[in-house]
Amino acid sequence: GAGVSQSPSNKVTEKGKDVELRCDPISGHTALYWYRQRLGQGLEFLIYFQGNSAPDKSGLPSDRFSAERTGESVSTLTIQRTQQEDSAVYLCASSFKRQGEFFGPGTRLTVL
Amino acid sequence: KNQVEQSPQSLIILEGKNCTLQCNYTVSPFSNLRWYKQDTGRGPVSLTIMTFSENTKSNGRYTATLDADTKQSSLHITASQLSDSASYICVVSSTGGGNKLTFGTGTQLKVEL
Repeated sequence: GAGVSQSPSNKVTEKGKDVELRCDPISGHTALYWYRQRLGQGLEFLIYFQGNSAPDKSGLPSDRFSAERTGESVSTLTIQRTQQEDSAVYLCASSFKRQGEFFGPGTRLTVL
Repeated sequence: KNQVEQSPQSLIILEGKNCTLQCNYTVSPFSNLRWYKQDTGRGPVSLTIMTFSENTKSNGRYTATLDADTKQSSLHITASQLSDSASYICVVSSTGGGNKLTFGTGTQLKVEL
């Protein structure tokens, strides 16, 4: 596709369950980012992948959060044992060099 | 601590009017500054990207300015339209790019008839 896509668009889960969010970046974009946006707040950096380099995980809030990316393609963000404070919109973005990030539509996660 | 502050927090204007949004930052070392537009329920969309040497950049009815000395930027919207209603986010990148982005919390703009 022409843009960054994310799935699912909405996810409702029960506290304690694991969830997996998917991001398909723009083809050819070497950099991929995950952000979290809580209601009414700014974007919060989670993790950054650049090519085959080791990812920058400095933004992950706890060890319940993890992400993977295979090469320069799809990435998955996994949240284990979800908590209510994990409820947010999770945004993925990709970029090529420093040409600016292109954001996906986000996945709205609701933890009951 | 790197910070990006935006003002006003929210703004309501009549269709056809102009408005200016402000962004002050303390990010260092500075690489570039971006303005994004985020519609409700959508991901942010890039409007402008400015490097240290650029003072102004336009994208249609959007014009961004940058004063790297005072660490201030503004986004001017001309002849506003209803579709301009959105959150406008100022983002500053530190040297090295990648994950070193600092996001403002945005200005919520509403354009009314």
